[in-house]
Amino acid sequence: DVKVTQSSRYLVKRTGEKVFLECVQDMDHENMFWYRQDPGLGLRLIYFSYDVKMKEKGDIPEGYSVSREKKERFSLILESASTNQTSMYLCASSLGKRTGGRNTEAFFGQGTRLTVV
Amino acid sequence: AQSVTQLGSHVSVSEGALVLLRCNYSSSVPPYLFWYVQYPNQGLQLLLKYTTGATLVKGINGFEAEFKKSETSFHLTKPSAHMSDAAEYFCAVRSGTYKYIFGTGTRLKVLA
Repeated sequence: DVKVTQSSRYLVKRTGEKVFLECVQDMDHENMFWYRQDPGLGLRLIYFSYDVKMKEKGDIPEGYSVSREKKERFSLILESASTNQTSMYLCASSLGKRTGGRNTEAFFGQGTRLTVV
Repeated sequence: AQSVTQLGSHVSVSEGALVLLRCNYSSSVPPYLFWYVQYPNQGLQLLLKYTTGATLVKGINGFEAEFKKSETSFHLTKPSAHMSDAAEYFCAVRSGTYKYIFGTGTRLKVLA
């Protein structure tokens, strides 16, 4: 089974802190993603990476940065946490190469519920 | 640009009744389409997917969906709802080799 593991299920941080959310996948997937989930807004893409050291901005990158030094690990960084970043954060991974219709889906971690106070 | 629209942010059905969750998409290329389920405080789990071939797709837990190109729809159905089906459901389309576009979700409530 593909496993995507997020380092924390619940986090409480103070405003202004630097916050690291870690994600590891064990299936040698090229693509990794960070989403933010808020009620009524669905999943919004923050950043994604299609290879080691490669990253692209998603729809809401402001206030976030990412790091992908190894293929299996993708970190989301909140440089200076703010209360409006209180949310559920979901990491996902998927195969990058075309597979003829197989293995096209994204696999998700359990999520990290971050509260900034 | 690709997009996904889920009609109805909340749907309630009685236990044993038909479940129908609606999803329409827009895509300039043949799409890969997905339905995911999310239980409280969990990540998303794949229910089913359409890539190519048969347009009626069966998934886990008795769910199925039909890809209708002419209607740009991929509605999710289950003949008989169970209490354990109460969750949030997300429709998604894959854009190119990596990006996924998600709908805003439909929360399903099952009434005893």
